[in-house]
Amino acid sequence: EVQLVESGGGLVQPGGSLRLSCAASGFTFRNYWMHWVRQAPGKGLVWVSRISSDETGTTYADSVKGRFTISRDNAKNTLYLQMNSLRAEDTAVYYCVRSYGAPEPDAFDIWGQGTMVTVSS
Amino acid sequence: QSVLTQPPSVSEAPRQRVTISCSGSTSNIGNNGVNWYQQLPGKAPKLLVYYDNLVPSGLSDRFSGSKSGTSASLAISGLQSEDEADYYCAAWDDSLNGVVFGGGTKLTVL
Repeated sequence: EVQLVESGGGLVQPGGSLRLSCAASGFTFRNYWMHWVRQAPGKGLVWVSRISSDETGTTYADSVKGRFTISRDNAKNTLYLQMNSLRAEDTAVYYCVRSYGAPEPDAFDIWGQGTMVTVSS
Repeated sequence: QSVLTQPPSVSEAPRQRVTISCSGSTSNIGNNGVNWYQQLPGKAPKLLVYYDNLVPSGLSDRFSGSKSGTSASLAISGLQSEDEADYYCAAWDDSLNGVVFGGGTKLTVL
């Protein structure tokens, strides 16, 4: 079964850090671009970041640029999101997402169940 | 404020047809494919339509997508109660260099 399972969410104080992980299974992870998408409570979907299949290319939303770092370990079939300098407005469910397509691989065909990140003192 | 504009809500009776609009610009919808997602209450989103009008295998043919210029639409025919969900459009934006989503449309089946 194709599956993405996120972990690492929780409660963190403003200015703190958190690292999310996403374990992939059931498909050849190294062949796909991967993304993080977040959703604040009661709000819509917001794209956060993406990483190329070969780990060489990354892109970020302006709202997280310089604070978040996306990475992956194709040997471990795992995607990561290192989140630093967290703010209250980063509070959201974070989804790990697989994508395909061309010229931009932006069709999100597999989603994880999400992990909640709460930034509060 | 979302880059892509969708109506906050739509409603229609069972067995009828409803359309959800998505308006953008030349840097996103006008130059790139549009994807549509369905999010059932408490669940992760699911891909419904990709590349403007393609439906993933295994999904119902009651869902269809179209695009004209800088606007796109999702049509759902033969409405069922289980179609009640939030629907989002999305596209790559060349100016922002990222994926942009619409604000979402809540579908109510009367």
